[in-house]
This record gives sequence, structure tokens and C-alpha cells, in this order.
Amino acid sequence: GNSVTQMEGPVTLSEEAFLTINCTYTATGYPSLFWYVQYPGEGLQLLLKATKADDKGSNKGFEATYRKETTSFHLEKGSVQVSDSAVYFCALSDKNKRGDKIIFGKGTRLHILP
Amino acid sequence: KAGVTQTPRYLIKTRGQQVTLSCSPISGHRSVSWYQQTPGQGLQFLFEYFSETQRNKGNFPGRFSGRQFSNSRSEMNVSTLELGDSALYLCASSLNGGRESEQYFGPGTRLTVT
Repeated sequence: GNSVTQMEGPVTLSEEAFLTINCTYTATGYPSLFWYVQYPGEGLQLLLKATKADDKGSNKGFEATYRKETTSFHLEKGSVQVSDSAVYFCALSDKNKRGDKIIFGKGTRLHILP
Repeated sequence: KAGVTQTPRYLIKTRGQQVTLSCSPISGHRSVSWYQQTPGQGLQFLFEYFSETQRNKGNFPGRFSGRQFSNSRSEMNVSTLELGDSALYLCASSLNGGRESEQYFGPGTRLTVT
């Protein structure tokens, strides 16, 4: 079945460092891909998405490119801030004509040190 | 526009009891999905409702059920609670569902089973 694999955390970086969180997927067809973020005590927020191959999603300085040839959707940010500390989830929408089912990776906890 | 609301935010139950959780979607959204989040299993899809009909279902036992009302509000019920049901239950709403439809998550209901 469809699945998402992302790098295990926690990931600890200093402020202004470059961030990469790896994500690969297994899917039939052409799923949409997402990155969600969960701040402490809150629900999930959509960070960015890409709906077809070679699309680049971007938001708040984060970017991810839908790479069909490597089945990857790695999250990157050039200069992280303390406020980026959160849990990040890579996800895909399961191909289903009936409706919306999202499959999530296990999540990667990110700590940014001042 | 108000976001997705979930009630109650916290709940403590004992084994064998049943529980009902409530979710109010964003106004105008017709699709409501439920997810279970645990440290071990991560985020897992429970089911999705659209126009009062269950349209998608995850791999959970029949003890987990739900329904959706004509105003799109949704409830989730878990009967005969087990210790392993302790989790954060997240509700998400979207306009119509579908692979490109953005889901908006509520803050979740934290259920503890003792």
C-alpha cells in the first residue's frame, strides 16, 4: 500500500543553519504531496503542498519539490529560526476517487537553538 | 472565519467505557476526516465523512465509529475502550475532499484511558 518514510528525529540545529528533512514515498498513481507542521499543543497546519511532478511548494521560507523519479519530497529552509521548532510531517493524499485520505509519515521533531 | 473546533479538549475514561468526541468544521466545509495520533503509530486515518455519508475508512476495528450531521458537524464514538486507545484524536475539514483539497485541522481531543 501507499506509505511515507521520513527521517527520524529529533533534529537539532543552531539558528540560521540550513535545514533538510528527507521524505520519500511509495504510491500508485500520482498522489499530491504535503508537508504539515505541528507546534506544541496545537493541531496540524498545512505548510506547503505540490500536486504534480516537478511542482515546488513553498511557504514561510520552506520549500519542497515533487520528484517523481526519486519518489521524494524533501523539505528545505535556508536559514532556520527558533520559532521553527516543531514537529514536521510529510504526507501524501491516497489515490481514491471517493474522497480524501491522507497518509502521514512518522514526523520529525525539530529543535532550533538560539 | 472560525477554524475547526473539537470538544472536549481533554478526556479521561476507564477501560470498557465508551466515549463520544465532537468536531465542528469550518463553515462551508462538507468533508470531515478523523485521525488518531499516538507516539508509536504516528498519525493514522480513521474515516472521512462527506454529506452525512462515510466515504473512506481506515484500518480500525468496528469499536470506532462516526457520523456526520446535516450541518457537517461530526462525532466520533469509541466503544469498549482499551488502554491502547489513549491518543490525540484530530479532526480535519475540507471543502469537498479530493486529492488536492486542503485539510484544516482542529487542536485535537486528548483521550486518556485508565
